[in-house]
Amino acid sequence: DIQLTQSPPFLSAFVGDRVTITCRASQGISTFLTWYQQKPGKAPKVLMYAASTLQSGVPSRFSGDGSGTEFTLTISSLQPEDFATYYCQQLNSYPYTFGQGTKLEIK
Amino acid sequence: EVQLVESGGDLVQPGGSLRLACVASGFTFSDHYMDWVRQAPGKGLEWVGRIRKKANGYTTEYAASVKGRFTISRDDSKNSLYLQMSSLKTEDTAVYYCARSTEFTLGGGIFRNYMDVWGKGTTVTVSS
Repeated sequence: DIQLTQSPPFLSAFVGDRVTITCRASQGISTFLTWYQQKPGKAPKVLMYAASTLQSGVPSRFSGDGSGTEFTLTISSLQPEDFATYYCQQLNSYPYTFGQGTKLEIK
Repeated sequence: EVQLVESGGDLVQPGGSLRLACVASGFTFSDHYMDWVRQAPGKGLEWVGRIRKKANGYTTEYAASVKGRFTISRDDSKNSLYLQMSSLKTEDTAVYYCARSTEFTLGGGIFRNYMDVWGKGTTVTVSS
């Protein structure tokens, strides 16, 4: 199975900060990577698919990059509603796997 | 409005069975692959399995942790997705989400299906 390792697991930042979350795959997955945002008690919401394609309706302050084994999700200017947990997921091969999550908290 | 609504979650004893359902509305259900994803209390997301659409033979894929115990099926005439769970273990305790998957292509005939719409989830508790 392909393992996804997210870093950091926890991130504390101010409103207005630029933050980057990294997702590393245990083997190459091309650009078959999806990013989700999840708030407490809610279902995940897709932010990005194919590593860098912004899902319709998602603010442009979110961006994704990467291919192969290393990927990033960047939020250019944090807004209060962005404080949540973020997950990456690979769609390269079954079983599909998720990273362990990055919890983004307000400093 | 595109919507997925799960139901069927309950408290069940270890070794027991349960069937979850997910009803879709607001889109052409039969055109999409469908997935189940779960989340144990305080933990991350775990993909459970997938069922493809009719054009792909309604074939299925499963996580190793549930293979042989869980069965995914669908009824396109009812816009419904199902998860039949048997031989339940305490570690199956989780919120279960159904998700619609939509195709995207990277070109060169290579495509994948990503989970773009999620239900709110239904809670399964396995405990004696």
